[in-house]
Parts: sequence; C-alpha cells; structure tokens
Amino acid sequence: EADIYQTPRYLVIGTGKKITLECSQTMGHDKMYWYQQDPGMELHLIHYSYGVNSTEKGDLSSESTVSRIRTEHFPLTLESARPSHTSQYLCASRSQGVEKLFFGSGTQLSVL
Amino acid sequence: DQQVKQNSPSLSVQEGRISILNCDYTNSMFDYFLWYKKYPAEGPTFLISISSIKDKNEDGRFTVFLNKSAKHLSLHIVPSQPGDSAVYFCAASAQGGGSNYKLTFGKGTLLTVNP
Repeated sequence: EADIYQTPRYLVIGTGKKITLECSQTMGHDKMYWYQQDPGMELHLIHYSYGVNSTEKGDLSSESTVSRIRTEHFPLTLESARPSHTSQYLCASRSQGVEKLFFGSGTQLSVL
Repeated sequence: DQQVKQNSPSLSVQEGRISILNCDYTNSMFDYFLWYKKYPAEGPTFLISISSIKDKNEDGRFTVFLNKSAKHLSLHIVPSQPGDSAVYFCAASAQGGGSNYKLTFGKGTLLTVNP
C-alpha cells in the first residue's frame, strides 16, 4: 500500500482566511491528484500533476491553486476561503502505468 | 452529464447475506473499472478492479462482474459483514494508465449491514 498523508484532518476557519492543505506521499509516485467530495456526491477532480513543475486544472472549476516543487509534495492553497469552499478535500497518487489511485485520509474543511 | 451512475443511494442487508451494488456507465471509451470503499471523514480505499478484457474478477469475499454490452458492472460481497458498512464508489478510466488517465467516480452507494 502507498503511504500518502494529508494534514490537517479537520480545519475550521473564518471567511477570508488563507489556507494551505498539505499532501505528501513517500512512494515516489509521479502522478498526484486533488479531489473534492461532498456527502452523497461523486468525487470531483479539481487539480492534478504529472510531475515536478507540472500542474493542471481538473474537471471541476476551483478557486484553489496547487504547486509541485518536489515529487513527494502537492499542497493546495485557498487564498481567501469562503463558506462555499466547505467540503472534504482528498489527495491521491499513483505510478505511471498503474491504474489504481491511492488516497490520503482527506481534509474536512469548514469555512464559517 | 454523469458518465458513471450509481442509481441506488443506499442498500441495507442482513449479516451473512449477499450485497449487490450496481454501477452503470455511458462512456464507451472506459476500459478499466474500480470499486472503492469509504468511511465518513476518511479517504477512499481500493477494493477491487476489472479490466474491460475480463467479465469477472474475484478477491476473497468480493467479486466484480462486468457486462460491456450493457455498460454495467456490479460488486458482490458474500458473505456481508457489519464491518462492510460504508459508502462504495464505482470509478472508471479510459486510455490505460497513461498520461491522460483520470478516474471518473459515481455518487456512491451507502451499504448498511445489519447484525
């Protein structure tokens, strides 16, 4: 199993705050992904990266941004959080040629 | 438009019986299918997968069946256990594990296994 870590697990913040959700994996996977999921809904891809210095927007429009300066690290940043950003954010990774995604435990974000 | 559909939001079964979770897809380019299990406030964990060149894959209590002509797959859990209670997501991908690979998920089915 891949080791992929997300911090924090839970975050409650006020509107207008800047936040960064951390995601790190120790498997050397070159592909990394951010999904957003609300209860009863599908997982929506919001960002992905195929390697260092490579980032792309996903299928669901998001006001967040990502960076990939190191292979193992793929943080997601919200410059100014709003209540509409309240959701669960899931980070995932995989190796090239492998069709299985490994997910972290997620960050449950609540913006008041 | 949803490309992967799980039309049953919830399913309740008795411990020891069979659980059958269904999934339909519309994109004929999908060639690999996966099932994930998710507990509240946790990330999804991989259960089982199947390639479009097969029609069945089995792993312990879990079996996935694929009917390509009907664009339908199902996950069978036998026997069901209370610890199986979770949300089950069906996911699909196209173009193998290459650079353009993306997973498309359904909305999930909440399975409750009653003791």
